Amino acid sequence: AQSVTQPDIHITVSEGASLELRCNYSYGATPYLFWYVQSPGQGLQLLLKYFSGDTLVQGIKGFEAEFKRSQSSFNLRKPSVHWSDAAEYFCAAGPNTGFQKLVFGTGTRLLVSP
Amino acid sequence: GAGVSQSPSNKVTEKGKDVELRCDPISGHTALYWYRQSLGQGLEFLIYFQGNSAPDKSGLPSDRFSAERTGGSVSTLTIQRTQQEDSAVYLCASSLDPGGYNEQFFGPGTRLTVL
Repeated sequence: AQSVTQPDIHITVSEGASLELRCNYSYGATPYLFWYVQSPGQGLQLLLKYFSGDTLVQGIKGFEAEFKRSQSSFNLRKPSVHWSDAAEYFCAAGPNTGFQKLVFGTGTRLLVSP
Repeated sequence: GAGVSQSPSNKVTEKGKDVELRCDPISGHTALYWYRQSLGQGLEFLIYFQGNSAPDKSGLPSDRFSAERTGGSVSTLTIQRTQQEDSAVYLCASSLDPGGYNEQFFGPGTRLTVL
């Protein structure tokens, strides 16, 4: 069965420190991969996506993610976290053909300490 | 331009009642999706509409759940005889015709509480 795993439920990072959020997927074929952010009371906003090609993808708000096929991972990173980055982050996978019925991870809540 | 809107933002109902949740997609988006976000869980796909094609209902958890999309635009998700386990945030998303990949834009959700 297709699944996306985010092993960290909560992560606390000091403002200005680097961040890495983990995501592993289990999928029949290499899927399209996404990271979304959800701020309180807001809908999900797409941070970045991977379809093919360069395994390091850049997104909005200074985020990047690296696709590693051998590890079935798509970890999200940011070199310096800002207090406004506190939110919930979701990794998702979708088929590389047809419509995008996304499979989501359970999310990682990021807390930023002063 | 307006994004995806959903109404109501919050809905509290009693067990056994029926509820209707509304989604207004972005104008021009032909694909519409419903997801459910339960506490401590990721988003769960419910149903997908694409143009005039038959919807993909494979994610609906029971026959108490149904959805329709009128005129290729507004969609209504109906839950009949609500149960406490239906309590969740229901998210709607829309995208351009997915001939390839087009980003799904999400609404703010409807928080449903079944007492």
